[in-house]
Amino acid sequence: EAQVTQNPRYLITVTGKKLTVTCSQNMNHEYMSWYRQDPGLGLRQIYYSMNVEVTDKGDVPEGYKVSRKEKRNFPLILESPSPNQTSLYFCASSPSRTPYNSPLHFGNGTRLTVT
Amino acid sequence: GENVEQHPSTLSVQEGDSAVIKCTYSDSASNYFPWYKQELGKRPQLIIDIRSNVGEKKDQRIAVTLNKTAKHFSLHITETQPEDSAVYFCAASIPYSGNTPLVFGKGTRLSVIA
Repeated sequence: EAQVTQNPRYLITVTGKKLTVTCSQNMNHEYMSWYRQDPGLGLRQIYYSMNVEVTDKGDVPEGYKVSRKEKRNFPLILESPSPNQTSLYFCASSPSRTPYNSPLHFGNGTRLTVT
Repeated sequence: GENVEQHPSTLSVQEGDSAVIKCTYSDSASNYFPWYKQELGKRPQLIIDIRSNVGEKKDQRIAVTLNKTAKHFSLHITETQPEDSAVYFCAASIPYSGNTPLVFGKGTRLSVIA
């Protein structure tokens, strides 16, 4: 089944403890992206990648890192999480190099709580 | 960069009535406008999209219209049903912009009252 898989679905951590949220897609998609969703703010892009080893900042990249060593994987890394990073995170992928004419396929989301 | 405004933020309609959600965008170079539906606790999923060379597109009870001159586009849902209750996001995309390639509106929470 074609899908975008995120893990974990739920994560509770403490301030400063490094964490990684994994994202993997099995559709051979070029484009991958991370979004955070907060009430009243919609979906805001954190980072995106148009190809292996190519990553770019989105609108809210501060406090996050990503890597794209393989086409299928795009992990999101929080080196030193803070409470303002408590949010619902979505990974997404698209078959074209930019999502300007192709739909995004979203993962099921990761709800992160930082205390 | 691109900016997308979405209105209203919440919308309640009676079952069977129509619902309209409007979005405006700032960059005239935007040429792809998708709409996503997010049911409670679920991921966003594409329901319809339109490209700038088309003025209107329909898919059963859902339609999207685009006015390039005014830089706004709208989602129309007719004969609403309880299962249409969800948050709807519009988005606008600029090809090869070098910036954030897809910008979302803040969402509209639609409630269909049976």
